[in-house]
Amino acid sequence: NAGVTQTPKFRVLKTGQSMTLLCAQDMNHEYMYWYRQDPGMGLRLIHYSVGEGTTAKGEVPDGYNVSRLNKREFSLRLESAAPSQTSVYFCASRSAGGEIGELFFGEGSRLTVL
Amino acid sequence: GQNIDQPTEMTATEGAIVQINCTYQTSGFNGLFWYQQHAGEAPTFLSYNVLDGLEEKGRFSSFLSRSKGYSYLLLKELQMKDSASYLCAVTDSNYQLIWGAGTKLIIKP
Repeated sequence: NAGVTQTPKFRVLKTGQSMTLLCAQDMNHEYMYWYRQDPGMGLRLIHYSVGEGTTAKGEVPDGYNVSRLNKREFSLRLESAAPSQTSVYFCASRSAGGEIGELFFGEGSRLTVL
Repeated sequence: GQNIDQPTEMTATEGAIVQINCTYQTSGFNGLFWYQQHAGEAPTFLSYNVLDGLEEKGRFSSFLSRSKGYSYLLLKELQMKDSASYLCAVTDSNYQLIWGAGTKLIIKP
């Protein structure tokens, strides 16, 4: 059982380049989330989706776009990467019937912007 | 503002007991969660508290006092594999999940 899968796991970008992170879950979850994790800080929510075709802004949405491609897949796009976006990005999902804080996380995508 | 405080780092000895504290100040409260995160890996769910008291799950227990805005995670019979960061998170009145920065637990033989 794969759970939540993120690609790529590592990426180095130059300032101004674009890229897309892909997340897929095989647990039939309705809710999906993109977080970033930086040293000394708690996880910060970038964008989330409560169902197919829906997206909403989280705490730190600027510079990111998302798309809920279907029930399984949720992508995060950086149109013009900046060094401040160097971080570890986590995708997470949960069932609509589950507790709000009981999330299933992917392994993370480590992004460096030079 | 909303805030969750945890110690940055703790050290404990294999076989011992350790208590990791979490205090929170949020606009409302709808539940508190603990996660374990090994270095370079994803966070994994450990426990959930919504009512005051102690929830026990094997070697791990989590306690909540809503009136004090306080929780702790208790780890018994520590094993080397328990070396990890432990994240505390709270859902506020808007059901938004607020995360602490995590406590790095180092286990020594």
